[in-house]
Amino acid sequence: DQQVKQNSPSLSVQEGRISILNCDYTNSMFDYFLWYKKYPAEGPTFLISISSIKDKNEDGRFTVFLNKSAKHLSLHIVPSQPGDSAVYFCAASAATDSWGKLQFGAGTQVVVTP
Amino acid sequence: EPEVTQTPSHQVTQMGQEVILRCVPISNHLYFYWYRQILGQKVEFLVSFYNNEISEKSEIFDDQFSVERPDGSNFTLKIRSTKLEDSAMYFCASRVTIAAFFGQGTRLTVV
Repeated sequence: DQQVKQNSPSLSVQEGRISILNCDYTNSMFDYFLWYKKYPAEGPTFLISISSIKDKNEDGRFTVFLNKSAKHLSLHIVPSQPGDSAVYFCAASAATDSWGKLQFGAGTQVVVTP
Repeated sequence: EPEVTQTPSHQVTQMGQEVILRCVPISNHLYFYWYRQILGQKVEFLVSFYNNEISEKSEIFDDQFSVERPDGSNFTLKIRSTKLEDSAMYFCASRVTIAAFFGQGTRLTVV
């Protein structure tokens, strides 16, 4: 039951350039989308979220774009820094899941090279 | 900055033994969760807890699993009789608004 999909298992980007991470979903009832960053042996760290009534949300170097018609969202990180090397998870929550359960994608490993 | 704390960081147990994983959520949060991540797989929802009762549980959360919030601060996950396939990272999370905040996880190894 893969309602949230991250089709790119890995991404390599040069320091200073833009990282673009993609996420697709199938459940049209999702109304909040979140991005988490995870280092090895640590828990996921919340980065940024977006409501389904918006198409863009920006926080510092992180911008999330939502295309509801395509059921697609992306996370842009610019400029990329070595400390951004981590696994990034897309997650979604549905209003029908009123207790805020998150459905996670499989994650994308980002490596930022000098 | 407030954070979710989990203990222990690593637990090794024999198959069939009971384990209790402990969590202290962020103090003003209202919703509590357990998730797990089997090595190489995605983070999976186990259970949500609100107003001192389970609000939702996944298929994974069978009769061997239970949760408690015994004293208003701790939030525990008990596995009554562990199986080899229970080996995973277990994450506690809590939230008050839309974003859930996760603890650093407990690595459970069942041998």
